[in-house]
Amino acid sequence: AQSVAQPEDQVNVAEGNPLTVKCTYSVSGNPYLFWYVQYPNRGLQFLLKYITGDNLVKGSYGFEAEFNKSQTSFHLKKPSALVSDSALYFCAVRDYMDSNYQLIWGAGTKLIIKP
Amino acid sequence: DGGITQSPKYLFRKEGQNVTLSCEQNLNHDAMYWYRQDPGQGLRLIYYSQIVNDFQKGDIAEGYSVSREKKESFPLTVTSAQKNPTAFYLCASSEGAERGGKPQHFGDGTRLSIL
Repeated sequence: AQSVAQPEDQVNVAEGNPLTVKCTYSVSGNPYLFWYVQYPNRGLQFLLKYITGDNLVKGSYGFEAEFNKSQTSFHLKKPSALVSDSALYFCAVRDYMDSNYQLIWGAGTKLIIKP
Repeated sequence: DGGITQSPKYLFRKEGQNVTLSCEQNLNHDAMYWYRQDPGQGLRLIYYSQIVNDFQKGDIAEGYSVSREKKESFPLTVTSAQKNPTAFYLCASSEGAERGGKPQHFGDGTRLSIL
């Protein structure tokens, strides 16, 4: 069965420090992987995706993510955190061969950046 | 600007009442989705539609109904059969569900509560 795990409910980082939000996945075939961000009482905003090619993907607002096939991970990273990065982050996966075309979502990780 | 509009932003339901949440998109997307978001949980798929006049149940369709009479519109009705409707409801669209590499675009949600 397809699944996504975000092992940390909350991540606390000091402003200016690097941040990592973890995501691991399980699919039977090749994955499409996505990161989204949600601010309070708002919808989700797309940050970045991995489809194929370079394992390091760059996205919006200075975020990047590294696809690691052997570890089935797709961790979100940013070299220097901003207070405005504080939000809820979701990882999602879709199996390339899945005919249902549905995204499987992680439970979300709350990122808190302290000044 | 293109986007997804959900209305109303807040909605209150009385016991035994059906309520309808509106979702309109002007992105010319074929696929549309309804998700339910509860605190501490990821997004759960209620219904999705890949094309006009066709839709499929998601993981938690019981107590909900949808229609897709126009490409731009995908309203969700929360029926009285849904005994725990209090949640944040998110509508999304994408460029054809079969094109799995395309991200989903989200509206800003409707928060439904029971009176």
